[in-house]
Parts: sequence; C-alpha cells; structure tokens
Amino acid sequence: DTAVSQTPKYLVTQMGNDKSIKCEQNLGHDTMYWYKQDSKKFLKIMFSYNNKELIINETVPNRFSPKSPDKAHLNLHINSLELGDSAVYFCASSQFREYEQYFGPGTRLTVT
Amino acid sequence: GENVEQHPSTLSVQEGDSAVIKCTYSDSASNYFPWYKQELGKRPQLIIDIRSNVGEKKDQRIAVTLNKTAKHFSLHITETQPEDSAVYFCAASMAGGGADGLTFGKGTHLIIQP
Repeated sequence: DTAVSQTPKYLVTQMGNDKSIKCEQNLGHDTMYWYKQDSKKFLKIMFSYNNKELIINETVPNRFSPKSPDKAHLNLHINSLELGDSAVYFCASSQFREYEQYFGPGTRLTVT
Repeated sequence: GENVEQHPSTLSVQEGDSAVIKCTYSDSASNYFPWYKQELGKRPQLIIDIRSNVGEKKDQRIAVTLNKTAKHFSLHITETQPEDSAVYFCAASMAGGGADGLTFGKGTHLIIQP
C-alpha cells in the first residue's frame, strides 16, 4: 500500500498555463504539507494544512493555491506558470502535534 | 524564522570508513531534528530523528547527536557501504507545536568509494 501518493509523477507544460498536482495519504494523518525542491536540491516548505485548514503559507506567490477537500487530500493548483516554477514538488503528511513527516514520491514539473 | 546550515556539501569516504555530517540551527525553540536520505529521483526518506530532550540516538550503523547549548546536531554513519551513497538532509522544526513544516539544510552528497 502506498502511504503518500502524488499524481502526476511528471508534468511538462508551457509558460502561462494552469496546472494541478494531487496528493493523497492513507496513513490517517490530519496534517499535510507541500514542499518545493529546486534544481540545487534545496527543499523548502510551501504550505501546511491541518484538518483542511491552512496553517503555514511561506511567502509563496499567490499563483499557488492549495486546496484540501478532506484530511486525506491536499492538491496544489498553479496559475500562470513561470519558468522558475520548474522543480520537484513533494507532498508530505504527519499527525498533528507528532513528529514524523512522510513524503510522497514527488512531481517533477517542467515549464518550457 | 529557523535557519539550518549543513556541512559539508559533498563528502567522499572509503567503503568501511565512517562519515559525519554536521548541522547547526538558529531557533532555540526547535525541538525536533530529523535526518532524511534521498536517492537520485526518489523521495526523502526518514532514517533517524532526535528530539530535544535526548542527547544521542543510535540505530544500527547510524547515530545522531544533539547539543542544544551549541545548537548543533550531527549524523554519524559507521562501516559505510555502497548503498549509503545518497544525498542526506538534516532538518529542524518545532514539531509538537502544531503543523510546522521542516526547515532543511542544503544537503550533503555522500559518496562511498569502493
């Protein structure tokens, strides 16, 4: 069983397009996150959600809009894609007030 | 906010030797320090973690030490094997305080020479 899954695994698109990445976890966790890993492998938190409510928004452009329809899902919608958005996006989950975060397999976004 | 510095950026060791990776953090409120291993094209995987009420933790060939006063923590891998080759990330957070994200160091590329 896959604990944290993401779709799609690869996403190639042109500048200016709008795209979405989906994340689902079956661990029963109530907190989910989006991280961005850039071309230099630097991992940075973008958002966190607890029980469908936004907790952290780390100065991410408002072209990025996360949406959590329920505790098990956290989707990331990106409007007007730019070249600098090219990166690997990782979803992660944990239990609120507990420690371990588990990462999904990542979505490699390439903007041309 | 929290800032995590990690050194070295690249570490090459002979198979069987030990490897040590060091990190410092800035926010004294951080209380959780995980280490993740990331193989090429794969997700970061938690290999060991330590909480601020513990000074050292060991799991087979891997150990982590924490010095809260100096605000630094280290990963020690003994008897290195080829499969240890990967990028290792340290991180810090105020986990237990809510839905805090992890603040990561910039990673160490560990190369095990046969």
